[in-house]
Amino acid sequence: DAKTTQPTSMDCAEGRAANLPCNHSTISGNEYVYWYRQIHSQGPQYIIHGLKNNETNEMASLIITEDRKSSTLILPHATLRDTAVYYCIVRFTMYSGGGADGLTFGKGTHLIIQP
Amino acid sequence: NAGVTQTPKFRILKIGQSMTLQCAQDMNHNYMYWYRQDPGMGLKLIYYSVGAGITDKGEVPNGYNVSRSTTEDFPLRLELAAPSQTSVYFCASRTGQGGLEKLFFGSGTQLSVL
Repeated sequence: DAKTTQPTSMDCAEGRAANLPCNHSTISGNEYVYWYRQIHSQGPQYIIHGLKNNETNEMASLIITEDRKSSTLILPHATLRDTAVYYCIVRFTMYSGGGADGLTFGKGTHLIIQP
Repeated sequence: NAGVTQTPKFRILKIGQSMTLQCAQDMNHNYMYWYRQDPGMGLKLIYYSVGAGITDKGEVPNGYNVSRSTTEDFPLRLELAAPSQTSVYFCASRTGQGGLEKLFFGSGTQLSVL
């Protein structure tokens, strides 16, 4: 699986859009980009995933650059409850070489929403 | 659906004691995982299972054992607890459909070994 690089921490004002970057310059064509978050003391929570196209759901938007070497998770109107560690993970699907041994969670980005 | 349920939420063990961390899911997921998370660190995979009767080691399996007799349950056994096993333990599950890694996590078990 391709390695990802994320900033250690970020601040964002409440009500503003939070843009979390992730670099994955060695990503392969069949690797997906996944985003999870972990609110303090809780288990990680799936947010969104994408392959090539931009994706949006009720939680966030995922913007993947055309060369797929980086991506940005966007929380459109951040609230205090969005303060968490955000993990960007790149992974093949289980059927294209990813295996069944799950995701590797690094240290992620600690996003702090300021009131 | 309750999702993934872990018990207990907190536990203190003495060195050398044993215990079982329980994990149950009601989503009929074939794939289940045990992770541990040390303070300020990411999650490390201990064991995983792709279905009833099938388990395999992850990155840090030493000192742990698992079993998977049913689709719903995936208990983690600690034998001869050591201070190095002080951690927060998370259980997760996912469907195998599509091969995508959309994991559902439990709320964790905080374990201290003293």
